[in-house]
Amino acid sequence: DQQVKQNSPSLSVQEGRISILNCDYTNSMFDYFLWYKKYPAEGPTFLISISSIKDKNEDGRFTVFLNKSAKHLSLHIVPSQPGDSAVYFCAASEGNGNQFYFGTGTSLTVIP
Amino acid sequence: NAGVMQNPRHLVRRRGQEARLRCSPVKGHSHVYWYRQLPEEGLKFMVYLQKENIIDESGMPKERFSAEFPKEGPSILRIQQVVRGDSAAYFCASSQSTDTQYFGPGTRLTVL
Repeated sequence: DQQVKQNSPSLSVQEGRISILNCDYTNSMFDYFLWYKKYPAEGPTFLISISSIKDKNEDGRFTVFLNKSAKHLSLHIVPSQPGDSAVYFCAASEGNGNQFYFGTGTSLTVIP
Repeated sequence: NAGVMQNPRHLVRRRGQEARLRCSPVKGHSHVYWYRQLPEEGLKFMVYLQKENIIDESGMPKERFSAEFPKEGPSILRIQQVVRGDSAAYFCASSQSTDTQYFGPGTRLTVL
């Protein structure tokens, strides 16, 4: 039962443009969300997080938006750079829970 | 840079052998998590441990798999009598509390 879904397995974007990666979840108890970036043969690297008390969190070129009513979050990368090419995973947990549920990932390719 | 360390990075075992995967968390982190990533899939939670205690093992197969996080030394994920279906990348993550988890580079297990 996939509680966190990333329906786009891949995304290609021109350098300098905006990349938008989407994530949907089914569990209304989730209140903490993270995005990770993963390069081949490496572990996931934490990018940005958001708790359910916010609807937006920004860190440099990365912004995460949370729409609780739609159970949807998105990661915006602007401007996109070739070094951003990687697989991006969203993850969710219940506030005081221990387990993070991961999506299946979206492979982003930024074309120079 | 004392991030999460995992060894070995690659492990090859024949069916029926034992696999031992090691994880040293970030210094000062007392929470350790193990995840498995099967080909073409996202990360799946296996087990969450604090020092000397298993807190949540709901994602771990009931047979052949065990995990420990002793008072001294790394966390160990042990898989007995490995089968081909155990071939996957196993990632360890650590955290200071139940928030952002930082991942190691993973151990890629191949069962021949």
